[in-house]
Amino acid sequence: DAGVIQSPRHEVTEMGQEVTLRCKPISGHDYLFWYRQTMMRGLELLIYFNNNVPIDDSGMPEDRFSAKMPNASFSTLKIQPSEPRDSAVYFCASRRQLGNTIYFGEGSWLTVV
Amino acid sequence: AQSVTQLGSHVSVSEGALVLLRCNYSSSVPPYLFWYVQYPNQGLQLLLKYTSAATLVKGINGFEAEFKKSETSFHLTKPSAHMSDAAEYFCAVSLGSNFGNEKLTFGTGTRLTIIP
Repeated sequence: DAGVIQSPRHEVTEMGQEVTLRCKPISGHDYLFWYRQTMMRGLELLIYFNNNVPIDDSGMPEDRFSAKMPNASFSTLKIQPSEPRDSAVYFCASRRQLGNTIYFGEGSWLTVV
Repeated sequence: AQSVTQLGSHVSVSEGALVLLRCNYSSSVPPYLFWYVQYPNQGLQLLLKYTSAATLVKGINGFEAEFKKSETSFHLTKPSAHMSDAAEYFCAVSLGSNFGNEKLTFGTGTRLTIIP
C-alpha cells in the first residue's frame, strides 16, 4: 500500500505569493488531517475532514488559510497571501473510519522569504 | 480536553544504555496513547500504541511503553540504545473510541541523542 503522498516536498516562495500544498491520503481512509510543525509551537492540528467534509477547522490560523477535499483521494491546503511566519513543515495524515492509528506523509517543507 | 506532557525536551544516553522518555497524559475519559518517532527531515512514524488492551505495549525497533493509570503515565523505554535511535519522539493522546477519537493531540517532543 502506498502511504500518504504529499507535494511539493519543498517550496520556497516570496511573501505575498499563493501557496498550495497537496495531499493524497491512503486509499480507503476516511479521515484526513492537516498538521503544521514549527519549532515554537510544535505539532498543531489545523483542520480535519471525515468523508471529504470538514469537521473541525478551529486550528486554522486565520483567513489566509483554506483547505478543501473535493474527493476521497485529494486534498489541498492553500495559503494566500503567504507570510514569513507561515514557514513550517505541513503534514497531511489519514486514518480509517474504525481505526485508531493516524498515518503521516513525509511533509511539505515551506519557506516564505 | 486531552493533553500530554513530555518531560525533557532533550535526552542524551550512551550507546547500549537504557532509554527512558517520559510522557504524562491528561484526559477526562479513558484515552488512547501513542508514541511516534520522527527522523531528521522525515514524517512521523508510529512506534507503538495503547488502546485499552494490554497495559504493556511493545512496538517496533525494540521499544515498549507501559500504561499506568494511577500515575497517568505512558513512558517509552528501550533496554539498550542504538545509534540509529537518535531522533525526535512524540507522545500523543486521543479520546477512546466511545468518545470521539478523531483528533490526536501531540506533546512537544523529546529529542534523543545517542552518545557513542
